[in-house]
Amino acid sequence: GGIITQTPKFLIGQEGQKLTLKCQQNFNHDTMYWYRQDSGKGLRLIYYSITENDLQKGDLSEGYDASREKKSSFSLTVTSAQKNEMAVFLCASHRGTGNQDTQYFGPGTRLLVL
Amino acid sequence: SQLAEENSWALSVHEGESVTVNCSYKTSITALQWYRQKSGKGPAQLILIRSNEREKRNGRLRATLDTSSQSSSLSITATRCEDTAVYFCATYYAQGLTFGLGTRVSVFP
Repeated sequence: GGIITQTPKFLIGQEGQKLTLKCQQNFNHDTMYWYRQDSGKGLRLIYYSITENDLQKGDLSEGYDASREKKSSFSLTVTSAQKNEMAVFLCASHRGTGNQDTQYFGPGTRLLVL
Repeated sequence: SQLAEENSWALSVHEGESVTVNCSYKTSITALQWYRQKSGKGPAQLILIRSNEREKRNGRLRATLDTSSQSSSLSITATRCEDTAVYFCATYYAQGLTFGLGTRVSVFP
């Protein structure tokens, strides 16, 4: 088995601040994802990466940067936090690069911007 | 609008009863996945059903897939309080999963 760890668990930021969320997986999976989950809106894809140093934009990439310096880790940066923003950011990974694989999710980072 | 979406916002049942969550999707698919998300946790996959399968079981869970009507269902029998969660159907779009908005299932003693 394996596990996905996300840090921090809770993140409180100020408007305009640059905030970084981290994700680590020990599955040795190739592909990693960042999703944003808002109440009542399901999950939306921000960025994904199919291998180390690869980055692909999802539907919600504006306002975010990502980094995949190692196979096991994938970071997401909120470039300028928006006032009253509240969402859960979920990291996920899967083994291959195909489209039938199970995705394994971390527990999420809960963001609140004051 | 969502590429995959569940048809109910919320369902409530008593322990021991069965519950069914329905999903419709808008694109041709190679597989559809059902996920469950408990409070404070990330989603966890329950069942993956491929386009050439009509039914898939996993313990008390049963998923069906009807590609002609582009719909799927997830049934849970003999429900338990710990089945309380949000249930999502999901299909792949580009490289990421596209999730429905979820159906909140509450199981009461």
